[in-house]
Amino acid sequence: EVQLVESGGGLVQPGGSLRLSCAASGFTFNNYAMSWVRQAPGKGLEWVSSTSGSGSSTYYADSVKGRFTISRDNSKNTLYLQMNSLRAEDTAVYYCAKDGVGATIGLGLIDYWGQGTLVTVSS
Amino acid sequence: HSVLTQPPSVSGAPGQRVTISCTGSSSNIGAGYDVHWYQQLPGTAPKLLIYYNTHRPSGVPDRFSGSKSGTSASLAITGLQAEDEADYYCQSYDSSLSGSGVFGTGTKVTVL
Repeated sequence: EVQLVESGGGLVQPGGSLRLSCAASGFTFNNYAMSWVRQAPGKGLEWVSSTSGSGSSTYYADSVKGRFTISRDNSKNTLYLQMNSLRAEDTAVYYCAKDGVGATIGLGLIDYWGQGTLVTVSS
Repeated sequence: HSVLTQPPSVSGAPGQRVTISCTGSSSNIGAGYDVHWYQQLPGTAPKLLIYYNTHRPSGVPDRFSGSKSGTSASLAITGLQAEDEADYYCQSYDSSLSGSGVFGTGTKVTVL
């Protein structure tokens, strides 16, 4: 059974940093690209960042480019999102998501989602 | 703002059929990129509902069906049930944007 368990969310002040983690199990982790998708309170889904199975390729939404860094440790089956220079508009539930096809960053199909972790940016 | 537009809400009585549209453009759905649909029940994470335009993952009832034509796609729910009350999102790829996917604006389905 595929499981994705996020952690690391919490309350942080504007300009602060936070690192999210996603522990994956139930599949061969390095065979799949992984993504972070966020959802602001009462709003829709927004794709944030993706990384290939090896971690050598990464993509970012324009809204987080230069501030967020996605990475993965395939030896630990764990995905990360380092978030710096946080803003109020980054407040959201952040979901870890597994690509539905394979190791290459593809066209967006997600077949499994984590339960999400809430990040609140406020003074 | 999203490049895939959905109606904010649709509603229907139990047993009725409702459809949700997902309108894109020539750089996404119209370019031939596939459309996927996700269901988000209240307070939970999204779940894959339809993939590659028309396919249902194992366990998804056949009351749910997807279609795609031109620059749009649709999700239909027949025999609407109370447990179908949720938010629904379409997703595709847009060649004018960086990244691996773009989501629709989302549609709230209410069972009357």
